[in-house]
Amino acid sequence: DAGVIQSPRHEVTEMGQEVTLRCKPISGHNSLFWYRQTMMRGLELLIYFNNNVPIDDSGMPEDRFSAKMPNASFSTLKIQPSEPRDSAVYFCASSTKETQYFGPGTRLLVL
Amino acid sequence: AQSVTQPDIHITVSEGASLELRCNYSYGATPYLFWYVQSPGQGLQLLLKYFSGDTLVQGIKGFEAEFKRSQSSFNLRKPSVHWSDAAEYFCAVGPPSYQLTFGKGTKLSVIP
Repeated sequence: DAGVIQSPRHEVTEMGQEVTLRCKPISGHNSLFWYRQTMMRGLELLIYFNNNVPIDDSGMPEDRFSAKMPNASFSTLKIQPSEPRDSAVYFCASSTKETQYFGPGTRLLVL
Repeated sequence: AQSVTQPDIHITVSEGASLELRCNYSYGATPYLFWYVQSPGQGLQLLLKYFSGDTLVQGIKGFEAEFKRSQSSFNLRKPSVHWSDAAEYFCAVGPPSYQLTFGKGTKLSVIP
């Protein structure tokens, strides 16, 4: 299996622009997670889905952030409009009942 | 509420020396416990996990961890560190198909 796939790996954008991060989970995994990692706050869970349904989005920082999972093999995290404080590494993970597997992350820089 | 504390932000060891990284957790039931490793610019890779049974768990790359319920700890150990072990290590608690709570991480530096 190719593992969790994320794209793009790096994104540089200007403040106010829309950013879309993409994730393809491991086939057969029923849960998908979006995390954000920063030096100051560490690894934070933003939202997670179970069977394509959002279960808990309490970690989404504000309305500028939204996430969708239209089918079992694809999810997006969108930031609109983006701000410099959104600069971070965003990880997607998918899980079996026993283990979460992480993607390589998207490094986002908002200028 | 579940939480994880990794008291050491940064540890430096000499190559060949033994290693122990500390992890303390708070969890309302029998915990699911994990150790992940993150190399620079990479995602998190699972080293080992504990669900139940034998309290000494073996993982990949020669790592092991011991679950101690009385101390609410799940410390990671390796008898002889290699330069390639330099990375950041994260302890986590929670059911993996729901919400994992991660510690802040311990950065390991290895001196040749």
